[in-house]
Amino acid sequence: QVQLVESGGGVVQPGRSLRLSCAASGFTFSNYAMYWVRQAPGKGLEWVAVISFDGNNKYYADSMKGRFTISRDNSKNTVFLQMNSLREEDTALYYCARGQGLLYPLDSWGQGTLVTVSS
Amino acid sequence: QSALTQPASVSGSPGQSITISCTGTSSDVGGYNYVSWYQQHPGKAPKLMIYDVTNRPSGVSHRFSASKSGNTASLTISGLQAEDEADYYCSSYTSSSTWMFGGGTKLTVL
Repeated sequence: QVQLVESGGGVVQPGRSLRLSCAASGFTFSNYAMYWVRQAPGKGLEWVAVISFDGNNKYYADSMKGRFTISRDNSKNTVFLQMNSLREEDTALYYCARGQGLLYPLDSWGQGTLVTVSS
Repeated sequence: QSALTQPASVSGSPGQSITISCTGTSSDVGGYNYVSWYQQHPGKAPKLMIYDVTNRPSGVSHRFSASKSGNTASLTISGLQAEDEADYYCSSYTSSSTWMFGGGTKLTVL
């Protein structure tokens, strides 16, 4: 069955960096666009970024543009989110999810990895 | 990018129907037929309930239906059941080639 397992979360000081990973299994990873979505504690969902199946197209929410970078390694069935210049407001549970393409819905989600930005 | 507008909460009794609205602009909800709805139970990952405005993924109950008129999309749940109590989020593709979520609606089954 489809499995998405996020890792790399933790506590980090403001201004520092963190790299999240999402390991996929149970489907042909290289056929799917991959997404990151976050949810601050007690708050709603916020779309973060998407990367196309081949890694050639990447799009970001305005508030993350220039600080976050999404990438993927199809040989390792893994998608990454490099987060730089972290702010306290980036504290959230970060989910990875898959879609059949850039215009497709998120049909499978991981359980998330928690990022806490605090001094 | 502001979130799509949803009511913070709705409620209904078992067996009743409720509707959750999701209002955007012509640059998102009104401009594309790429509106999705997600259900999220506490402590769980979101689950896709509706995609492309009106379509249900396999396995989703027929009690869930959706529509769109202009810049507003709507999710209707008929025959409310206790298990429907959850948070619901709409999502739309945007003219910036990005996606946007609504603020979420907490459904309480009385």
